[in-house]
Order: sequence, then structure tokens, then C-alpha cells
Amino acid sequence: SAVISQKPSRDICQRGTSLTIQCQVDSQVTMMFWYRQQPGQSLTLIATANQGSEATYESGFVIDKFPISRPNLTFSTLTVSNMSPEDSSIYLCSGQMTAAGTDTQYFGPGTRLTVL
Amino acid sequence: QQPVQSPQAVILREGEDAVINCSSSKALYSVHWYRQKHGEAPVFLMILLKGGEQKGHEKISASFNEKKQQSSLYLTASQLSYSGTYFCGTEKSYNTDKLIFGTGTRLQVFP
Repeated sequence: SAVISQKPSRDICQRGTSLTIQCQVDSQVTMMFWYRQQPGQSLTLIATANQGSEATYESGFVIDKFPISRPNLTFSTLTVSNMSPEDSSIYLCSGQMTAAGTDTQYFGPGTRLTVL
Repeated sequence: QQPVQSPQAVILREGEDAVINCSSSKALYSVHWYRQKHGEAPVFLMILLKGGEQKGHEKISASFNEKKQQSSLYLTASQLSYSGTYFCGTEKSYNTDKLIFGTGTRLQVFP
């Protein structure tokens, strides 16, 4: 398994500002993903971070709001732009790697974002 | 499209058994099971592949019924460390790496 870290672990931000969340994996991974999770709820996929190409976004999520970078095989960032209180959530990144002979995802600890 | 899990919550005494179900309205190609403790990252438990092959955890077993588009996770002789919220993840479509996570089942094990 891999170790995935995220920065910051939590933040409180003002409406209209932007926050960039970093995700670092301790080994190279081909696929990285970003999720949003409301407390007590399930995980919702925001986008797939592709190394060397633009991220691919899920329905309901757009690049202008959630720009993503993937400069190499161990690192990605997600920016939450022009924040509103509705953006308050936990944001998780994951990296896909092989476990038990097949591919699955390993998750970072999450970034808890509160927008005032 | 999101898989539905049942039950929503389970309360157990140590040593008791539990079954968590994951039902999909779409065809299943693989099912990934995760456990998430409060304030922590989801942790991979196991994966079930089409054809019934199971890979992952040694003490937790699961089944995969393609016809019923359903998977079940079996927790036997539960331990306090089993407490947490369990999520199933299913592939968004065939041969994709994207997962759609189920509604979740909260499990609490008491001494």
C-alpha cells in the first residue's frame, strides 16, 4: 500500500477566496482522483487527475471551479475557487495502485474545508 | 446510479456477526469494499471481481452476485476495531478506473 498525504488538513476560508489542496503520494501512481465528502455522507468523485493532460471532470463539476494540476506521477493539486459556504466539505485525494493482484484506490486523510 | 447499501446502520456486541449488502442498478464488473473511521481516510478492505474471485482481507469475506447486481460483506466474530462506516465502490462503467461509492453502512461494535 502507499502513503498519501494532504495539505492542509483543515482550513477556514472566507467567501470569494480560493484554496489549493495538495496531495502527495510516496510512490508513482498512474491515476489520481479527487473526491468530496460531506460529513456522514458518501464520497462523490469530482475529477480524475491525469498526468500530462487535462483533468477529466464528473457531471456537476467544472474546471473553472475546481482546477486541477498533475505535474508528475506523485503529486496533484485541487483548487476550490471563488468559494461559497456550499463548498464546505471534506476533500479527499486517492491514488490508484495494485493491491492483492488488482488495481484499487488508496486515500489520503482528507482536507476539511469550512467556508464562512 | 449510486449503489444502495443496507442496512444503513448496525450495532453489534463483540463477537457477533454482521452482513452488509451493496446493490446496484447497473451491471457490476467489480466491487471494492472500504472501511472509514471517523475523521480518517477510507481504508481498502477487499475487491471482488466478476467471476467471484476475491482478493484482499484475510478475516473478512464477501460475495458477488452478478445476476442480482449485488455484493455482500460478511463480518464474522466482530472486533471493536471493525467499527466504522463501510462503503462499497463499483466501477462507473466497464473497464474504467472510476469508482462510484455506495450510500454507506455505519457499524458500531461494543464490548
